[in-house]
Amino acid sequence: NAGVTQTPKFQVLKTGQSMTLQCAQDMNHNSMYWYRQDPGMGLRLIYYSASEGTTDKGEVPNGYNVSRLNKREFSLRLESAAPSQTSVYFCASERGYGTDTQYFGPGTRLTVL
Amino acid sequence: AQSVSQHNHHVILSEAASLELGCNYSYGGTVNLFWYVQYPGQHLQLLLKYFSGDPLVKGIKGFEAEFIKSKFSFNLRKPSVQWSDTAEYFCAVNALNRDDKIIFGKGTRLHILP
Repeated sequence: NAGVTQTPKFQVLKTGQSMTLQCAQDMNHNSMYWYRQDPGMGLRLIYYSASEGTTDKGEVPNGYNVSRLNKREFSLRLESAAPSQTSVYFCASERGYGTDTQYFGPGTRLTVL
Repeated sequence: AQSVSQHNHHVILSEAASLELGCNYSYGGTVNLFWYVQYPGQHLQLLLKYFSGDPLVKGIKGFEAEFIKSKFSFNLRKPSVQWSDTAEYFCAVNALNRDDKIIFGKGTRLHILP
């Protein structure tokens, strides 16, 4: 039981490049989330998916898109990376929606030059 | 919109000292409350949670938290900290019966001196 996995662990991009961060969970959870963590800012929600087939914006969605490919997988795409998107990105999953424990992946450290 | 405040951004303690980290939230209705911990180089994991019942909640590694509804608070406590408690601690709140998602506080970085 791997829990929540994320790839890649590290990534360096140049401004304007695109990339997709992958997230998968094997706990049959319904909800999945993408957060970014910045020093002094805590965790901020980018996008979430309350169930398979649905996605919704969180607190800081600008510059990102998501896809809930199936119940297991939830990807985050940066279409044109900017230095302000330098951050650590965490994916999380939850059995319910907003009322249960969230399980986090190990994170992706992204640097945009 | 709901908000979560963690008063202490950085706390430094010696081993065996007692710990209390503050957390206040703004929503007046029913809430689910969480404390998550992030050890250096690791991902977040649940420390404890409160949904209903006894307002004094016990979590892993000797941590506990008390929900005081009248004060909109959910402070985290530990009677005697260890060096291995060095980590960042996040309070999180979910306001039930609202469309808001879980909201995290900005975190408290705890450093324990050996």
